Amino acid sequence: SAVISQKPSRDICQRGTSLTIQCQVDSQVTMMFWYRQQPGQSLTLIATANQGSEATYESGFVIDKFPISRPNLTFSTLTVSNMSPEDSSIYLCSVDRVQLVDTQYFGPGTRLTVL
Amino acid sequence: SQKIEQNSEALNIQEGKTATLTCNYTNYSPAYLQWYRQDPGRGPVFLLLIRENEKEKRKERLKVTFDTTLKQSLFHITASQPADSATYLCALNQAGTALIFGKGTTLSVSS
Repeated sequence: SAVISQKPSRDICQRGTSLTIQCQVDSQVTMMFWYRQQPGQSLTLIATANQGSEATYESGFVIDKFPISRPNLTFSTLTVSNMSPEDSSIYLCSVDRVQLVDTQYFGPGTRLTVL
Repeated sequence: SQKIEQNSEALNIQEGKTATLTCNYTNYSPAYLQWYRQDPGRGPVFLLLIRENEKEKRKERLKVTFDTTLKQSLFHITASQPADSATYLCALNQAGTALIFGKGTTLSVSS
């Protein structure tokens, strides 16, 4: 099984600032995923991060707002830029479970509050 | 667009009873349907996957059914325990595509 850690676990930020969330996996993985879980809402995929190429963003999410880096096969960052209170959410990263295709391991999440 | 509905936001049952959670979907033909468990302050944990050509899947006290005609999955926890209290998420996808999650049902098992 893969062990995923995220930093920070939570943060309170001011409107207009940016926050970078780190995701570290204890094994090499091809794809890493970033999700948002807003209060009372379902997990929504923001983007898929592949090492060595640009991230692929889902409809409604843009690179300028959520830039992603993937410098190697065990690490990725998601930046939430120019934050507003609507960005208050839990942000989770995940990776594929190799034992069973199309299933995923999730990190513990980063709880972001924007004032 | 695709829509996933989980029968209720909250379900309260007594210890020892069977909990049954429902996942309905529309405007989609998934190849896979998955169930995850999420505890407060933690990320979801994979429980079971059932394929479109499978009717039922079991794992210990867990049972999942998948009816592609009704576009519905039922998730059962038999002999429920307080430790089963958590939020359970239903997710759908086609092979190799992104998971689409429901909002989840929060199960509370009282002793």
